Amino acid sequence: AQSVTQPDIHITVSEGASLELRCNYSYGATPYLFWYVQSPGQGLQLLLKYFSGDTLVQGIKGFEAEFKRSQSSFNLRKPSVHWSDAAEYFCAVKSDRDDKIIFGKGTRLHILP
Amino acid sequence: GAGVSQTPSNKVTEKGKYVELRCDPISGHTALYWYRQSLGQGPEFLIYFQGTGAADDSGLPNDRFFAVRPEGSVSTLKIQRTERGDSAVYLCASSLTRGQPQHFGDGTRLSIL
Repeated sequence: AQSVTQPDIHITVSEGASLELRCNYSYGATPYLFWYVQSPGQGLQLLLKYFSGDTLVQGIKGFEAEFKRSQSSFNLRKPSVHWSDAAEYFCAVKSDRDDKIIFGKGTRLHILP
Repeated sequence: GAGVSQTPSNKVTEKGKYVELRCDPISGHTALYWYRQSLGQGPEFLIYFQGTGAADDSGLPNDRFFAVRPEGSVSTLKIQRTERGDSAVYLCASSLTRGQPQHFGDGTRLSIL
């Protein structure tokens, strides 16, 4: 069965510092991978996705993620965070056989001024 | 253009009551999804529609939950005999067709007293 693990429930970084949010997935074949961001009281916004091809994918708001098959990981990175990046971030996986997205439990990002 | 619209944004009701949650997808999107997000968790898949038909309802927790999409556009999630454990944010998403990125609404926060 597919699953997603986000090992960090909370992450705190200073404004301007670099960021890496960890994500590990479990899936037998090549997965479709996503990162979503959710601000309080809002729905989910897609930051980026990986379906195939280049393993380093660029997303919106200056985010990028790298698919590493050998480590079953899809970590999210940003070189310099802004206070507006404070939110909850969800890693997610989908198979090519159905349409349900399996989400991790999320990582809440806090930004120190 | 308009995104996915969900109404009401908040719903408070008593245990045992019946509730209906509405989702208006992005115009032209044929695929529609319902997810449930409990406090501190990632969204969990409930049901997926392609057109008017439910293509996958494997995530519905029990027979108190039902969803319809009679004209292939607006969808209604119906919950009978509500229980306190049904309290959650119910998210709706739509995509142009199956396999395409899912766009989420802001959700309906359901509270069962």
